[in-house]
Amino acid sequence: EVQLVESGGGLVQPGGSLRLSCAASGFTFSTYWMHWVRQAPGKGLVWVSRINSDGRDTTYADSVKGRFTISRDNAKNTLYLQMNSLRLEDTAVYYCARDPGSNNWYVDPPFDYWGQGTLVTVSS
Amino acid sequence: DIVMTQSPDSLAVSLGERATINCKSSQSVLYSSNNKNYLAWYQQKPGQPPKILIYWASTRVSGVPDRFSGSGSGTDFTLTISSLQAEDVAVYYCQQYYSTLFTFGPGTKVDIK
Repeated sequence: EVQLVESGGGLVQPGGSLRLSCAASGFTFSTYWMHWVRQAPGKGLVWVSRINSDGRDTTYADSVKGRFTISRDNAKNTLYLQMNSLRLEDTAVYYCARDPGSNNWYVDPPFDYWGQGTLVTVSS
Repeated sequence: DIVMTQSPDSLAVSLGERATINCKSSQSVLYSSNNKNYLAWYQQKPGQPPKILIYWASTRVSGVPDRFSGSGSGTDFTLTISSLQAEDVAVYYCQQYYSTLFTFGPGTKVDIK
């Protein structure tokens, strides 16, 4: 069974840092792209970042570029999001999502499994 | 960046009736080399993560009821629920994956009238 479990959320002051983790199980983690998507309270979904299967290619939404860093440890089956210089508007539930990658979308859909999310609250 | 818009913001439909949600992208998400529209639809129920329903604009994900269908091409897309069931109450999002700056629409809330 595919499982994605996020952790690391919590309360942080503006300007602070936080590192989120997403522990993956039930599939071959090293062959999938992974994403972070966030959702502010009562608001819609916002894509944050993507990393390819070997970790060498990453993309970021403009709103977090230069402040957030996505990474992965394929030996530990874990995805990370290092968040620096946090702002009030970064307050959200952060989801990790699995993606078979563009070469495999002909077989399986993108963003096919999601975790339950971890809440990040930026407040003074 | 490709901007996604949806209409309406919300709608209320009687049980068994049709619900129609529209999605528009700021530029075409049709890739000419493979004639595929890089457009997906997601359902999010309260307190749950999103669930993908449809990709390639009209391909239903395995296990998704056939009352859900997607159509459209280029910049204009539609999600149709042919006969609304109580369990379909949710927010529905479109998303483009044409660009690796993946973007979601703002969502459409579907309720029972």
